[in-house]
Amino acid sequence: QTVVTQEPSLTVSPGGTVTLTCASSTGAVTSGYYPNWFQQKPGQVPRALIYSTSKKHSWTPARFSGSLLGGKAALTLSGVQPEDEAEYYCLLYSGGAWVFGGGTKLTVL
Amino acid sequence: QVQLQESGPGLVKPSQTLSLTCTVSGGSISSDIYYWNWIRQPAGKGLEWIGLIYTSGSTNYNPSLRSRVIISLDTSKNQFSLRLSSVTAADTAIYYCARDFSPWGQGTLVTVSS
Repeated sequence: QTVVTQEPSLTVSPGGTVTLTCASSTGAVTSGYYPNWFQQKPGQVPRALIYSTSKKHSWTPARFSGSLLGGKAALTLSGVQPEDEAEYYCLLYSGGAWVFGGGTKLTVL
Repeated sequence: QVQLQESGPGLVKPSQTLSLTCTVSGGSISSDIYYWNWIRQPAGKGLEWIGLIYTSGSTNYNPSLRSRVIISLDTSKNQFSLRLSSVTAADTAIYYCARDFSPWGQGTLVTVSS
């Protein structure tokens, strides 16, 4: 079964830029994995940010962007705001099943 | 605006079957362009995809849960359901339903305990 790996934690300063990545144990992540990204704050339901690698939902702030980078899916936050502090999960489609990554705890400090 | 709401027992005994229903409002569950997911999250842990059902009735399941999971659709009630058999304490989690992967329901906590 596919294992999806994310950085356990990252720290970024307000106004800075940070890139979260999402790797697959099966090899390079491509658009065919349909990468999704979600944001979850404590006590809240996960909120979808990005689907199909780089497509944004209508509510996704412009500072969030998705891409493929070095064989991984990536979520880049540019001009980080304090309210971006949260857990971020990626989701990949692999072998007929969807698999979540373990999550990245993003601290804005 | 489509909304989803999970419902079902909050407490299930070990070895029994967990049964949850997701009621969809503001849109038809029969729409061919969507699929309907179940996802869970143990307290303090990450998200786990359980499985999905298409409008056609075909299903995909998490390989690690496949032997215990059944997801079904009731178009007359605009609902879809999850059955997870032979539960253990490891199945204690918040269970979410979702259309594609957005939007999600608010989630329902299911505790497995005697």
